[in-house]
Amino acid sequence: SQTIHQWPATLVQPVGSPLSLECTVEGTSNPNLYWYRQAAGRGLQLLFYSVGIGQISSEVPQNLSASRPQDRQFILSSKKLLLSDSGFYLCAWSGERGYGNTIYFGEGSWLTVV
Amino acid sequence: QQPVQSPQAVILREGEDAVINCSSSKALYSVHWYRQKHGEAPVFLMILLKGGEQKGHEKISASFNEKKQQSSLYLTASQLSYSGTYFCGTIRAGTALIFGKGTTLSVSS
Repeated sequence: SQTIHQWPATLVQPVGSPLSLECTVEGTSNPNLYWYRQAAGRGLQLLFYSVGIGQISSEVPQNLSASRPQDRQFILSSKKLLLSDSGFYLCAWSGERGYGNTIYFGEGSWLTVV
Repeated sequence: QQPVQSPQAVILREGEDAVINCSSSKALYSVHWYRQKHGEAPVFLMILLKGGEQKGHEKISASFNEKKQQSSLYLTASQLSYSGTYFCGTIRAGTALIFGKGTTLSVSS
C-alpha cells in the first residue's frame, strides 16, 4: 500500500532563517506531488504541484520554492522565512491525472516563525 | 478558481442533520469532499465524478449536480465524531485540487 511521510512534524524558526520540509511517498511510482499550506483557522492553499521529476508548478511565488530531486521526493524550501510563513504545511500525493484525481495527505508539519 | 462553500459554520446536537453546499462559477467535472479534525491532516471522504451522482460514506452522503455546478454533502443523524471542518475541492487543469474555504461542523451531546 502507498504511504506518505513528511518531516519534521513541528519546528520553530526565527524570522530570516532558512526552511526545508521534506516529503517522500512509498509504494507507488510517478505520483503527482503537492504542497499545501493552512494558516491558523484558514483553508487549504495550494502552493506547488509536480507531475514529474524537475517539473514544478508554482501557485504562490512569494519566498517559497519547491524541488523534486527524485520521483517520490518533494522538498519545500525558503531562504528567508517571514512571520506570515507560519502555518500547517501539508504534503500530498495522487496517482492519477484527470478529474478522478484523489489526493492523499501526509501528517503535516507545523511551522512557527518567531 | 476556488469553489464556494456554505454555510461557514454549523452547530448541531447529536442526531440532527446538516447540509453543506459547494458551488463553482466554472464547469465542474468532479467534486471531492474531505474532513479535517483539529490539528490533523484532511481525510478523503468521497469523490463524485458524474453529473447527478450520489455517494455515501457511513451516514454521510453527497450529490453532484453538474448542470447547476454544485454539490451538497448530507450528514444524517450526526455523531460527535462528525465534528471537524469539511472541505470540498475541484480539479483544475486536470491535476491540481483546489479547495473551498471549509465549513466547520460542531456536534455536541
